[in-house]
Amino acid sequence: QKEVEQDPGPLSVPEGAIVSLNCTYSNSAFQYFMWYRQYSRKGPELLMYTYSSGNKEDGRFTAQVDKSSKYISLFIRDSQPSDSATYLCAMIPFIGGYNKLIFGAGTRLAVHP
Amino acid sequence: EAGVTQSPTHLIKTRGQQATLRCSPISGHTSVYWYQQALGLGLQFLLWYDEGEERNRGNFPPRFSGRQFPNYSSELNVNALELEDSALYLCASVPQGGGTDTQYFGPGTRLTVL
Repeated sequence: QKEVEQDPGPLSVPEGAIVSLNCTYSNSAFQYFMWYRQYSRKGPELLMYTYSSGNKEDGRFTAQVDKSSKYISLFIRDSQPSDSATYLCAMIPFIGGYNKLIFGAGTRLAVHP
Repeated sequence: EAGVTQSPTHLIKTRGQQATLRCSPISGHTSVYWYQQALGLGLQFLLWYDEGEERNRGNFPPRFSGRQFPNYSSELNVNALELEDSALYLCASVPQGGGTDTQYFGPGTRLTVL
């Protein structure tokens, strides 16, 4: 079993839809959770970063963490064609512990006009 | 401010050859991380360099090696290439100390082994 599971998609939605992207993990040592967006032929860029269980909102994006269920989500409201990319969840056991960073396989999202 | 740069963009090699990939971190960043992104597998941690020293390596064979130069740029070498080494190789940098929530990725080098 992988430490982080993420549905690879692809996920295709119409413009304006609410998108839900999810990851589950098995290692309770993970404390910091991130979502990266990766456009084609580009490196990943950090979208959201959360520590505690609960919700964190940034514009159209909301990151949700449920540590008791070992489940994290990223919601995108009013999705736009420019949101079409691969979304990767990632987690580390402590701040700055990037040598311990575990990524999900990524979910490909396509938002069509 | 210039971002993380990587070269070459694409690299095509044959089995058994050696590949050298290069990374220049953001100015002022001293830590460089290398990742392999194979199709369907997500990013896998390869190597971590900080202040010129190798600090940690992931679960990869010794034919994956590298170094960090005094200007903090880094090189990843892959010897005795195998078909399954075909992947996107990403480098990321973080500021001195590494205790930060953000690492900055370069665009990657796509290595194809024939």
